[in-house]
Amino acid sequence: AQSVTQLGSHVSVSEGALVLLRCNYSSSVPPYLFWYVQYPNQGLQLLLKYTSAATLVKGINGFEAEFKKSETSFHLTKPSAHMSDAAEYFCAVLSGGYQKVTFGIGTKLQVIP
Amino acid sequence: KAGVTQTPRYLIKTRGQQVTLSCSPISGHRSVSWYQQTPGQGLQFLFEYFSETQRNKGNFPGRFSGRQFSNSRSEMNVSTLELGDSALYLCASSRETGSRYEQYFGPGTRLTVT
Repeated sequence: AQSVTQLGSHVSVSEGALVLLRCNYSSSVPPYLFWYVQYPNQGLQLLLKYTSAATLVKGINGFEAEFKKSETSFHLTKPSAHMSDAAEYFCAVLSGGYQKVTFGIGTKLQVIP
Repeated sequence: KAGVTQTPRYLIKTRGQQVTLSCSPISGHRSVSWYQQTPGQGLQFLFEYFSETQRNKGNFPGRFSGRQFSNSRSEMNVSTLELGDSALYLCASSRETGSRYEQYFGPGTRLTVT
């Protein structure tokens, strides 16, 4: 079964500092990988997705992620954190040929002014 | 284009009752998936419907069921509610089924079972 592991359930960064949220995947076949963001009392919003077209994926709000097959990683980064980035972030893998998404446990990002 | 809508947004039920949640996908989307989100278990896949057929199912008991109508709207039903069913239930739609198609999520229905 395919799965994702997010390292760190809580991450705190200072405003303007680099954001790095870690995600490792387990997959026997080339995966489709996603990062979603969830603000309080809201649904999930897609930040970016990897579908094998390019290893460096740029998403919305200045986020990007790099697919590294050798490390089975898909870490999410943003050069400079903004207060509005405070939210919960989920890494996810799509498997099975259908819309069955397996999510990581989530990482809550706190941005300190 | 309107997003995924879910009704109701909040619901309080008593143990033993049943509940029906509704999801209207983005216009033109034919795949609808349901997820349960709880603090302890995170986000878990319930099932996916495509063209009125259940295409995939997660590891939930038979008390959880769903259906999809010809207009792609979907309903999810939970019978004999338990306290542990308290959760945020998220619906997501995509244009087609299959790995290439990203999902768009609704705001969710917050179910509280007392």
